[in-house]
Amino acid sequence: NAGVMQNPRHLVRRRGQEARLRCSPMKGHSHVYWYRQLPEEGLKFMVYLQKENIIDESGMPKERFSAEFPKEGPSILRIQQVVRGDSAAYFCASSPAAAGFNEKLFFGSGTQLSVL
Amino acid sequence: DQQVKQNSPSLSVQEGRISILNCDYTNSMFDYFLWYKKYPAEGPTFLISISSIKDKNEDGRFTVFLNKSAKHLSLHIVPSQPGDSAVYFCAAKGTNAGKSTFGDGTTLTVKP
Repeated sequence: NAGVMQNPRHLVRRRGQEARLRCSPMKGHSHVYWYRQLPEEGLKFMVYLQKENIIDESGMPKERFSAEFPKEGPSILRIQQVVRGDSAAYFCASSPAAAGFNEKLFFGSGTQLSVL
Repeated sequence: DQQVKQNSPSLSVQEGRISILNCDYTNSMFDYFLWYKKYPAEGPTFLISISSIKDKNEDGRFTVFLNKSAKHLSLHIVPSQPGDSAVYFCAAKGTNAGKSTFGDGTTLTVKP
């Protein structure tokens, strides 16, 4: 039973380019969360999605960032026109569809984004 | 406004001794608390959790204590082992909230 799969593991972009981070949740999980960890900081919530729906995007920057979780395929976190301050580790987590509020998260290994 | 705080960035203990990691929260709507462990270049993994209706939960060498009136929880590891060396994150969530709010983490080093 594969865990949460994130790719790429490392992504290098130049300022102004676009970054696309992909996340495939664990089998049977339909809840996906994206977190960002800046250097020397903790995990900051970005967005919570269920299939085809954004449930909570209160942690997403207002501009340049978007996320989707289509009916088929992985969840995508998209960052347009990247800046150096976007350099961070981006973690995706998933939880089971039928879980109650006592949901633990299953994390992927993260994507390390470096903006040159 | 940081709602979950881990005030000790790092902790160093001797193998075999007790490790105590602390966490404070400010949001009274939080009623479920979790600890995650993270090794370098890996994602966090779930360690142990506690509901607000309890004040203690134990799983092998790991025990989490919750003091609701003080809005404080702690993770005890007894005995500590070198393999426990990692970053430990405290997280909290409310009943109807999907997201978990994380602290900044405490780096635990267990010396042989």
